[in-house]
Amino acid sequence: EDKVVQSPLSLVVHEGDTVTLNCSYEVTNFRSLLWYKQEKKAPTFLFMLTSSGIEKKSGRLSSILDKKELFSILNITATQTGDSAIYLCAVPQFDTGNQFYFGTGTSLTVIP
Amino acid sequence: DAGITQSPRHKVTETGTPVTLRCHQTENHRYMYWYRQDPGHGLRLIHYSYGVKDTDKGEVSDGYSVSRSKTEDFLLTLESATSSQTSVYFCAISERRSSGANVLTFGAGSRLTVL
Repeated sequence: EDKVVQSPLSLVVHEGDTVTLNCSYEVTNFRSLLWYKQEKKAPTFLFMLTSSGIEKKSGRLSSILDKKELFSILNITATQTGDSAIYLCAVPQFDTGNQFYFGTGTSLTVIP
Repeated sequence: DAGITQSPRHKVTETGTPVTLRCHQTENHRYMYWYRQDPGHGLRLIHYSYGVKDTDKGEVSDGYSVSRSKTEDFLLTLESATSSQTSVYFCAISERRSSGANVLTFGAGSRLTVL
């Protein structure tokens, strides 16, 4: 059965810390992995990763995919209180009608 | 936000009553989805649609039905609401990026409380 697992489930850090969020997957015919950030509303898209070993970067956030070991990590450096959110990982699966499988998310709290 | 509108945004209802949530999109996307989000469970797919009158079940479809009579509208119906259906419901569309990969874009969500 296809699945996506995120760890840790929750994390509390101080401003300025660096955090690493993990997403492992078992999805047949893998093509891409997506990261989303969710504050008190709808998830918003952060990154899409399709190739192994190529880092995607946006400001203090970066992500990388390892297709051999079937995981991705999302790094946030110099965390700020505005980074507090739930971070979701998703993998689309096209064999079953273009469904997207989500992990349960990592809840990040950044305290001043 | 890919022109996705959900209505109502908030609803409180009583057990046993029917409820319909509406998702409207303005960009002619083929695929539309309904997810529910609950603490500890993340986003779980209820139903999805791949065209007018073409729908299929997701992992938590029991107690829900959907209809898509027009490309732009995807309706989620709870025939007889139960307290376990208290949740936040998100509609989403799938759009293809220039890289060829598909990305989900979400509506603002509908918070449903069943008393």
